[in-house]
Amino acid sequence: AQSVTQLGSHVSVSEGALVLLRCNYSSSVPPYLFWYVQYPNQGLQLLLKYTSAATLVKGINGFEAEFKKSETSFHLTKPSAHMSDAAEYFCAVSDRQTGANNLFFGTGTRLTVIP
Amino acid sequence: DTGVSQDPRHKITKRGQNVTFRCDPISEHNRLYWYRQTLGQGPEFLTYFQNEAQLEKSRLLSDRFSAERPKGSFSTLEIQRTEQGDSAMYLCASSLGRTVGVYGYTFGSGTRLTVV
Repeated sequence: AQSVTQLGSHVSVSEGALVLLRCNYSSSVPPYLFWYVQYPNQGLQLLLKYTSAATLVKGINGFEAEFKKSETSFHLTKPSAHMSDAAEYFCAVSDRQTGANNLFFGTGTRLTVIP
Repeated sequence: DTGVSQDPRHKITKRGQNVTFRCDPISEHNRLYWYRQTLGQGPEFLTYFQNEAQLEKSRLLSDRFSAERPKGSFSTLEIQRTEQGDSAMYLCASSLGRTVGVYGYTFGSGTRLTVV
């Protein structure tokens, strides 16, 4: 079964510092991979997705993620954190082989930005 | 069309009561999904529809949970005989096309259920 592991349930960075949120997937075949952001009492908003095109994927709000097959990773980065980036971030995977009918989410990483 | 709408935003109910949530997807989206999210966890897949057909329901949490999408447009999720463990955020999402990987999902803002 597809799954993702997000290392670090809480990450704190200073405003202007690099943001790095980690995600590793388990799959024998490279799946589709996604990063979503969730603000308090809101649904999930898609930041970016990997669908086997370029391994470096650029998303909204200055975020990007790099697919590394050798490391089974899809870490999310942003060069300079902004206060508005404070939120919960979820990595998700879907199974390319079975037609990708649903998403499996990690447990999330709460990002705090310190002024 | 401004996105996926869910109603109500919040629901407080007494244990043992039945509750029903509604989801209105993006109009041109043919697939609709239900997820549950408990505190500190990622969303957990429950079921999905393609048009009016419910193609996956084995992950519904118990037989107290049921979902419908009678005309392939809006959907309802019903929980019968609610329990305190049902307290969670219930998220709906919709997508266009056969694969999530190509088109992605659009999520609604969710319905937060509190069972007292």
